[in-house]
Amino acid sequence: AQKVTQAQTEISVVEKEDVTLDCVYETRDTTYYLFWYKQPPSGELVFLIRRNSFDEQNEISGRYSWNFQKSTSSFNFTITASQVVDSAVYFCALKRQGAQKLVFGQGTRLTINP
Amino acid sequence: DAGVIQSPRHEVTEMGQEVTLRCKPISGHDYLFWYRQTMMRGLELLIYFNNNVPIDDSGMPEDRFSAKMPNASFSTLKIQPSEPRDSAVYFCASSFAGHMNTEAFFGQGTRLTVV
Repeated sequence: AQKVTQAQTEISVVEKEDVTLDCVYETRDTTYYLFWYKQPPSGELVFLIRRNSFDEQNEISGRYSWNFQKSTSSFNFTITASQVVDSAVYFCALKRQGAQKLVFGQGTRLTINP
Repeated sequence: DAGVIQSPRHEVTEMGQEVTLRCKPISGHDYLFWYRQTMMRGLELLIYFNNNVPIDDSGMPEDRFSAKMPNASFSTLKIQPSEPRDSAVYFCASSFAGHMNTEAFFGQGTRLTVV
């Protein structure tokens, strides 16, 4: 069975602080795909990143970075120098090779205070 | 492309009424998904289509729920009769499979309130 756990329900930090959102997944598959989505207060789900299980390179995009570690089944997301606009609920998700269903974690509500 | 377009954005209806949610996927995408988001259950897949054909509807909660995709650019999710416990945000998403698994792009959602 596939499962995604985001243990941090809510995080609150002051602007300009760095913050890491944790994501731990469970799967028996050798090939799978991991995703992060952002849900701002307006409600839509915005795609942030996709990572294939066979590519363990970390990725950086501006202030965002992702650390994928198969050994610990984790796919953590770090925001550097956080801004108020980063306030949102962030979801980690998992998809099996050849499948279409996204299995989402419960989400982490991130609040960046000015 | 304008992205996945859902309508209406908000719907308030009385228990027992029929509700129809609409979705226009991104042009060229061959997969369409309906997800539901609630506080209790989070985001859960209800049904998905491939090339307009329903592939997996195991997430549809009851027979009161039905979904159709008459063509590549339109899908509906219908609830008849609606109940208060159906209150949730319903998302439509689409993706293009291509040669590798790709990400799904979501619409803005329809917030349904059944009173």
